[in-house]
Amino acid sequence: AQSVTQPDIHITVSEGASLELRCNYSYGATPYLFWYVQSPGQGLQLLLKYFSGDTLVQGIKGFEAEFKRSQSSFNLRKPSVHWSDAAEYFCAVGGGSNYKLTFGKGTLLTVNP
Amino acid sequence: DVKVTQSSRYLVKRTGEKVFLECVQDMDHENMFWYRQDPGLGLRLIYFSYDVKMKEKGDIPEGYSVSREKKERFSLILESASTNQTSMYLCASSSGQVYGYTFGSGTRLTVV
Repeated sequence: AQSVTQPDIHITVSEGASLELRCNYSYGATPYLFWYVQSPGQGLQLLLKYFSGDTLVQGIKGFEAEFKRSQSSFNLRKPSVHWSDAAEYFCAVGGGSNYKLTFGKGTLLTVNP
Repeated sequence: DVKVTQSSRYLVKRTGEKVFLECVQDMDHENMFWYRQDPGLGLRLIYFSYDVKMKEKGDIPEGYSVSREKKERFSLILESASTNQTSMYLCASSSGQVYGYTFGSGTRLTVV
């Protein structure tokens, strides 16, 4: 069965600082990997995805993520955080003929001025 | 852009009522999903559908049913609402896993 672990429930960073959100997955083959962002009271918006090719993927809003098969990780990064990045971030994994994505429990990001 | 529309942002219902949550997508996606989201528990899959009139149970189907009579519409039904079904409900659609999901804005349901 596929699974996702986001080890950090809550992270606080200062505006302008760099950011890395961790995601570890469990899946038997090459996974499809996603990061989503959720602003308060809203649905989830896709930030970026990986399914093959270059292991460093670029997304919207200046985010990037790197797929590391040896570490079963897909960490999300941003070089300089803006106050508007405060939100909850979800990592998800899927693959094969399974229709479903499995989501992590999320990391809440707080940005201090 | 794909749009997934959930009919209500906020709902308040009484215990024992039958509740319908509606979701409509406008991009001809085959797959549609219902999740509930609770603090500390993340997103949990209730039901999904990969074709009209087809449905499969997710991880927490108890107390829920679904209906998909048309490709664009996927309804979640709470047969007899209970207070432990107070939650945020998210609908999503997809044309395939590799593309990810598109989510609606959510319905916050309170059962009193």
